[in-house]
Amino acid sequence: GAGVSQSPSNKVTEKGKDVELRCDPISGHTALYWYRQRLGQGLEFLIYFQGNSAPDKSGLPSDRFSAERTGESVSTLTIQRTQQEDSAVYLCASSLASAILLRAFFGQGTRLTVV
Amino acid sequence: QKEVEQNSGPLSVPEGAIASLNCTYSDRGSQSFFWYRQYSGKSPELIMSIYSNGDKEDGRFTAQLNKASQYVSLLIRDSQPSDSATYLCAVSGYSTLTFGKGTMLLVSP
Repeated sequence: GAGVSQSPSNKVTEKGKDVELRCDPISGHTALYWYRQRLGQGLEFLIYFQGNSAPDKSGLPSDRFSAERTGESVSTLTIQRTQQEDSAVYLCASSLASAILLRAFFGQGTRLTVV
Repeated sequence: QKEVEQNSGPLSVPEGAIASLNCTYSDRGSQSFFWYRQYSGKSPELIMSIYSNGDKEDGRFTAQLNKASQYVSLLIRDSQPSDSATYLCAVSGYSTLTFGKGTMLLVSP
């Protein structure tokens, strides 16, 4: 696609429910990142996928968070048993190869509100 | 723990002035450095990248990198009200882009 696409753009869920967020990267981009941004805060790294390598999950805040990516395509971020502190904008970014040399492009984000 | 530090601001400058945004990073092995601009309620967009020591200019923007001091900066010349946004410094290592918390820039007409 022309850019990184995320869905849904907004999600309101009840505390304790599971949610699934989707990211469709730019075609051909092998690297994919998930970040979380709480209101008024900076970007918090969650997880990084690079091709078929094992993902870097070092930023996932708890075992309620998981993410998958099949090959170099769509990724889903799943949050189980959502809590109010999970409310944030979840941003996905993709880049060619890795961000060591090349730029990462962001999607418009999914605004998650847990009530 | 890799850290990227920025002054949260706000940095207030009058229209037409030079805005200077600064960033320090902790990982001496970092190789690539980026400045992103984020308007309120929007996602970050890349405005500058720099990989080697020295200055890199692109229009009104100049990025400066000093690896020995672990310091990267962004200068915005002839600042415009439309430049008002949060500027995020990002540093790339082996696999992750680590972001600072951003500096809010306010350009007054």
